[in-house]
Amino acid sequence: AQKITQTQPGMFVQEKEAVTLDCTYDTSDPSYGLFWYKQPSSGEMIFLIYQGSYDQQNATEGRYSLNFQKARKSANLVISASQLGDSAMYFCAMSPLFGNEKLTFGTGTRLTIIP
Amino acid sequence: NAGVTQTPKFQVLKTGQSMTLQCAQDMNHNSMYWYRQDPGMGLRLIYYSASEGTTDKGEVPNGYNVSRLNKREFSLRLESAAPSQTSVYFCASRGQKPKQDTQYFGPGTRLTVL
Repeated sequence: AQKITQTQPGMFVQEKEAVTLDCTYDTSDPSYGLFWYKQPSSGEMIFLIYQGSYDQQNATEGRYSLNFQKARKSANLVISASQLGDSAMYFCAMSPLFGNEKLTFGTGTRLTIIP
Repeated sequence: NAGVTQTPKFQVLKTGQSMTLQCAQDMNHNSMYWYRQDPGMGLRLIYYSASEGTTDKGEVPNGYNVSRLNKREFSLRLESAAPSQTSVYFCASRGQKPKQDTQYFGPGTRLTVL
């Protein structure tokens, strides 16, 4: 069984500051993928970044980076130089890489960027 | 490319009515998924299909049926809608392009059951 925990229901951050969204996970699968999705007020789910459990380096995608600490079972999302358009719900998710492909989601963090 | 499309975007049903939510993807992905999202919760998997002709139950399958019509299309059916099925429904597909192992989501269907 897999479990994702996001302990920050809501965060307020000043524009242009960096922000870290926390995510911890639990799984018995030896190989797995970790994902972050953004859900703006319009409702769509937008894929942001992916980290494989076997990856040696932390994933980066533009202003997004994933701080992956395997021993601590954490996969925090870091957004550098936040923008007003970053205001949204953010979901951490994981799935095993082989066999069962189901994504397990956390409950999300609502990020609000303050001008 | 349209990616993942869903119809309808909004639907209101009365208790006991039936309906089918449609999903299609044009990315040639093998795997497709149906999720529901309730307020204050993340997405929960209803059913998924690893390939054409196969379907499997997810976390919350009761009250739903699915059909993988072909590689592109994966439909979700509510035979007798209940108020507890009021939710936002997302379809997703997964493939190896452009990002391996990543699921891509449709825009969602907002369903209200009265």
